[in-house]
Amino acid sequence: SQQGEEDPQALSIQEGENATMNCSYKTSINNLQWYRQNSGRGLVHLILIRSNEREKHSGRLRVTLDTSKKSSSLLITASRAADTASYFCATPRSGYSTLTFGKGTMLLVSP
Amino acid sequence: DTAVSQTPKYLVTQMGNDKSIKCEQNLGHDTMYWYKQDSKKFLKIMFSYNNKELIINETVPNRFSPKSPDKAHLNLHINSLELGDSAVYFCASSQRQGEYEQFFGPGTRLTVL
Repeated sequence: SQQGEEDPQALSIQEGENATMNCSYKTSINNLQWYRQNSGRGLVHLILIRSNEREKHSGRLRVTLDTSKKSSSLLITASRAADTASYFCATPRSGYSTLTFGKGTMLLVSP
Repeated sequence: DTAVSQTPKYLVTQMGNDKSIKCEQNLGHDTMYWYKQDSKKFLKIMFSYNNKELIINETVPNRFSPKSPDKAHLNLHINSLELGDSAVYFCASSQRQGEYEQFFGPGTRLTVL
């Protein structure tokens, strides 16, 4: 069953602007992951944040996790055209046998 | 070196045919997966194998049969293809079963005519 749900479904910004995507999930988790999918490619892991972490950074990416609200956000600062992609959050499936992916946010960064 | 590879990249075939997609990972991972991504980009787990053993078998028609000859390979055979099977199929692997980072192949775009 679907666990995470991203918002917005699509986001269009100019190069240099920041992009924020949100993910809400339903059940308690140990960690939450964000993935990027460029058009015509497989998903690529971006960052993993554990349930005891509130914020994590990786380059221009900043992820927050609020377990009380069951939500996470991904912030991409100073976006570039190359950031154009779909972004998915993933949470452990019940039983922790694998991950469940949300429907993704499609980000378009225009030069 | 490609970590997770799939062949073919594109597959166009007629309804009723049988086809296979191959997947190989050179990461030394224990667990491999098959996902189906529909036209709305929704990624749905189909199967998961851990050390060649079937762990997850979602409600997938039994026309789909995965085979794992060793833990580096997970192939997907589809019998009697239907129009609704058209999608992008992704293979992925992770170090172990569970909530670990997954590494994805480039995908196989299957079009059934």
